Amino acid sequence: KNEVEQSPQNLTAQEGEFITINCSYSVGISALHWLQQHPGGGIVSLFMLSSGKKKHGRLIATINIQEKHSSLHITASHPRDSAVYICAVRSWNTDKLIFGTGTRLQVFP
Amino acid sequence: DSGVTQTPKHLITATGQRVTLRCSPRSGDLSVYWYQQSLDQGLQFLIQYYNGEERAKGNILERFSAQQFPDLHSELNLSSLELGDSALYFCASSLGNTQYFGPGTRLTVL
Repeated sequence: KNEVEQSPQNLTAQEGEFITINCSYSVGISALHWLQQHPGGGIVSLFMLSSGKKKHGRLIATINIQEKHSSLHITASHPRDSAVYICAVRSWNTDKLIFGTGTRLQVFP
Repeated sequence: DSGVTQTPKHLITATGQRVTLRCSPRSGDLSVYWYQQSLDQGLQFLIQYYNGEERAKGNILERFSAQQFPDLHSELNLSSLELGDSALYFCASSLGNTQYFGPGTRLTVL
């Protein structure tokens, strides 16, 4: 079993829909990251969370440390949000990032 | 643009060869991380350097080695290349907790 699990693996949506991507982990962590990988391959760090909730524009990330679960929400989705979203956790005793397998999102106009 | 640069963008080579991938971190960032992204295994952490010293090691093969130089740029050396080493290799840099990723080097081993 992977230490970081994401669901769903693939997601399609119509423009304007509310999107939720989930991440569960089984290790002790000091932080959780959400990354976005564009079709060209480039990776952008969206959020780093250690507790609670963060918002940036139409993106919202939440984490529940007790339940070892995080969600990434996209409000009013747009075709330019189409990308792979990757959850990664930093184990509590090292700086190592452990990655989920990613969620491929396609938003159609 | 993250401020992290990687060269080359693409590299095609043959099995058994050796290659060097280069990463220049953002100005002021002391940590450099190397990651491998292959189709079957996703993103995997290889190794981290902090201010010239190795800080953490992940799933890095013995055929691979890395170093960080006094000017903080880093190189990842891959030797005795195998078909399975074909992947995207990313480096990232950080000063605090947020990592900034470079555009990656796509390595194809034929």
